[in-house]
Amino acid sequence: NFMLTQPHSVSESPGKTVTISCTRNSGIIASNYVQWYQQRPGSAPTTVIYEDNQRPSGVPDRFSGSIDRSSNSASLSISGLKTEDEADYYCQSYDRTNQVFGGGTQVTVL
Amino acid sequence: EVQLVESGGGLVKPGGSLRLSCAASGFTFSNAWMSWVRQAPGKGLEWIGRIKIKTDGGTTDYAAPVKGRFTISRDDSKNTLYLEMNSLKTEDTAVYYCTTAAYDSSATLYWGQGTLVTVSS
Repeated sequence: NFMLTQPHSVSESPGKTVTISCTRNSGIIASNYVQWYQQRPGSAPTTVIYEDNQRPSGVPDRFSGSIDRSSNSASLSISGLKTEDEADYYCQSYDRTNQVFGGGTQVTVL
Repeated sequence: EVQLVESGGGLVKPGGSLRLSCAASGFTFSNAWMSWVRQAPGKGLEWIGRIKIKTDGGTTDYAAPVKGRFTISRDDSKNTLYLEMNSLKTEDTAVYYCTTAAYDSSATLYWGQGTLVTVSS
């Protein structure tokens, strides 16, 4: 099984951009899609990015996803940061028989 | 609108069994791979397992901590996903979520609201 590593926490001021990384330790990041999930306290997760860079309907275009083959990692960027973006964010990917979640990143809007 | 509604959670003693259900609507259930994900109190998300659609063999895959104890099944006539949990341990205490992309993919677009399973004596 592979692992996905995320920073434990990031913080930024309202209106700024925050970027969360998700590094795959074995296998090629681009070989399977990466998804990103937002979880606010006390709520179920919701999907903000699927298939590397696709936004579900209703997710604002302030959220964007990308893949960096050189670092074997994926990234979630949130621009124009709002207080409502304060939440835990998880990346997820898979191989033929497993799905793997990153450990989660707590985003704090200062 | 896609809806996933889990039920069946509750308090069970170590070594006991429980069956969770997930009622799906708003998409063609028989065309969708379905997964279960759990979250222990104060912890991150953990994938438990997935079931494919019948035309893909209806096969299941499980995470190592639950393999041999948990069984995922589906009833396409009832648009319902199941998770049979046996030999439960205290570390299985978690909120259990039903998830899907609503098509034949391991990605997740939709989540249920979750059902809490507490394993305690």
